Amino acid sequence: QVQLVESGGGVVQPGRSLRLSCAASGFTFSGYAMHWVRQAPGKGLEWVAVISYDGSRQYYADSVKGRFTISRDNSKNTLYLQVNSLRAEDTALYFCARHRSASLTANTWFDYWGQGTLVTVSS
Amino acid sequence: QSVLTQPPSVSAAPGQKVTMSCSGRSSNIGNNDVSWYQQLPGTAPKVLIYENSKRPSGIPDRFSGSKSGTSATLGITGLQTGDEADYYCGTWDSSLSAYVFGTGTKVTVL
Repeated sequence: QVQLVESGGGVVQPGRSLRLSCAASGFTFSGYAMHWVRQAPGKGLEWVAVISYDGSRQYYADSVKGRFTISRDNSKNTLYLQVNSLRAEDTALYFCARHRSASLTANTWFDYWGQGTLVTVSS
Repeated sequence: QSVLTQPPSVSAAPGQKVTMSCSGRSSNIGNNDVSWYQQLPGTAPKVLIYENSKRPSGIPDRFSGSKSGTSATLGITGLQTGDEADYYCGTWDSSLSAYVFGTGTKVTVL
């Protein structure tokens, strides 16, 4: 069965960095684009970034552009999110999700989600 | 600030029907398919509807979706206490080159 397991979250000071990971199993990871979605405490869902199946294309939300980098290692079945220059407003539960749709952009939807890893930015 | 607008809350008695809207613009709902997600308290979101009106395997036909112009609608019939959750619409926005979620609707079973 499809499993997505996030890790790497924690408490970090403003301005510092973290690398989040999402370990995938139960499907051919290299055949799917992948996303990061976050949810601040008590708030709604916010899309963060997407990466194509081969890592050649990425798109980011304006709120993280230039600070976050999405990447993947298909040999390790793992998705990453490098989060730099963290701000208090980046405090959230970060989910990875599997992309569905023939196109990377149009008609996107998510069929499997992990349980999330919590990032808390605080001094 | 989300570009897709949903009502903050809807409610109905068990067995009744609720609908919730998701309003956007031509760059998102107007030109891309909409999906809907259910988030039960303390859990990850789960897809209920994709490509505007299709249900994944295992989702009961009590859940339905539709789209017209720049708006989409999710309906739940035969409301159950287990349906109490937050519901989000989402779609790609071609102008932003970004995926966008709705503001979310909380469903309460009276």
